[in-house]
Amino acid sequence: GIQVEQSPPDLILQEGANSTLRCNFSDSVNNLQWFHQNPWGQLINLFYIPSGTKQNGRLSATTVATERYSLLYISSSQTTDSGVYFCAVVMTGTASKLTFGTGTRLQVTL
Amino acid sequence: EAGVAQSPRYKIIEKRQSVAFWCNPISGHATLYWYQQILGQGPKLLIQFQNNGVVDDSQLPKDRFSAERLKGVDSTLKIQPAKLEDSAVYLCASSLTGTGPYEQYFGPGTRLTVT
Repeated sequence: GIQVEQSPPDLILQEGANSTLRCNFSDSVNNLQWFHQNPWGQLINLFYIPSGTKQNGRLSATTVATERYSLLYISSSQTTDSGVYFCAVVMTGTASKLTFGTGTRLQVTL
Repeated sequence: EAGVAQSPRYKIIEKRQSVAFWCNPISGHATLYWYQQILGQGPKLLIQFQNNGVVDDSQLPKDRFSAERLKGVDSTLKIQPAKLEDSAVYLCASSLTGTGPYEQYFGPGTRLTVT
């Protein structure tokens, strides 16, 4: 099956700092989503981005499907950004099954 | 618009007991998914329904897990008998159906502890 690797696995930032999270996948995909899992376990949709670039406030994401990677940018980080960030993909030719990455655990400190 | 609803939010049972989880998807979403998330890992698909038919149940441990979606709306996931390794968060998700794939939306999850 498809492999989805995220880096870095852990990240500690001071409030106000910027960061870039990376997601690499091993096969062709036709869906890619970024999620934030908050400390209460809720998966919050950030982006649905099978290709191209999107922005939403302090967050933006870029997917280069031909090179099999996606990036999530967080600017001016806040303590509420803490949690685990997952990317998840649907491999081309399969049903809608999402395969999740290994996750990046982010801690934003004051 | 209401999100995906799940209940209960927490459940503690002893091994060999049975347990059931309930999910109500977003209105109009014909595709429903159950995922299992073990601590420290990403969620993994257990079963996918389109309306009331099963699309993918290849990762469902069928000797102890069962799921149904009788009227094509809400769904129930059951474990009988439970094992210690079933301790996890069980997440339900839903999406539109068609030529997709479509964005999936997740419920708050049910945290199961098996002692």
